[in-house]
Amino acid sequence: QVQLVQSGAEVRPPGSSVKVSCKTSADTLSSSSVSWVRQAPGQGLELMGRIIPVLGVPTYSQRFQGRVTITADRSTSTVYMELSSLRPEDTAIYYCARDLCSGATCSWWFDTWGQGTLVTVSS
Amino acid sequence: VLTQSPGTVSLSPGQRATLSCRASQSVRSRYLAWYQQKPGQAPRLLIYGASSRATGIPDRFSGSGSGTDFTLTISRLEPEDFAVYYCQQYGIFGGGTKVEIK
Repeated sequence: QVQLVQSGAEVRPPGSSVKVSCKTSADTLSSSSVSWVRQAPGQGLELMGRIIPVLGVPTYSQRFQGRVTITADRSTSTVYMELSSLRPEDTAIYYCARDLCSGATCSWWFDTWGQGTLVTVSS
Repeated sequence: VLTQSPGTVSLSPGQRATLSCRASQSVRSRYLAWYQQKPGQAPRLLIYGASSRATGIPDRFSGSGSGTDFTLTISRLEPEDFAVYYCQQYGIFGGGTKVEIK
């Protein structure tokens, strides 16, 4: 059974950075893309970026370009999302989600989600 | 852009729900998915490829459409179906439709 397990809630001051992790199995990582989706309080879903770990190259939504960094550590089967220059409006739940890939071709259906990580930006 | 309508719909258990997702330009059906999200939970994949049910999804959920217009239908609402529903194509999500109890 595919599982994505995220790190716990974080509180950060404005201007700082936060790094959230998403751990899975080696089998899942080798056949998937992992995306990061955020949801502000009472709002909808927004894709921030994604990475295909076997290829290693991330892609980012234009809205977050320059502030988000997504990396994958294949030795621990963990994907990370780091968001810098935090502002109060970055307060949200951050989800990782996976879709199946064959090489660089992916389904873009997110069939498994992490439990979500609440990031609160407050002084 | 994916535009979902209505924003909120009020229905009673047993009724039929019809949710719309309209794309600003034609999309490949293969990449159109629907999700259900309940309060405090992560989204759950319901439909992929516009019309295929994901594993474990009851057959009262069905998806249809092509081009720019897609529909999620819940044939007979059960109490656990009251939730927010999102459509998605590639990296774009619609704004969501909330199905609430009348």
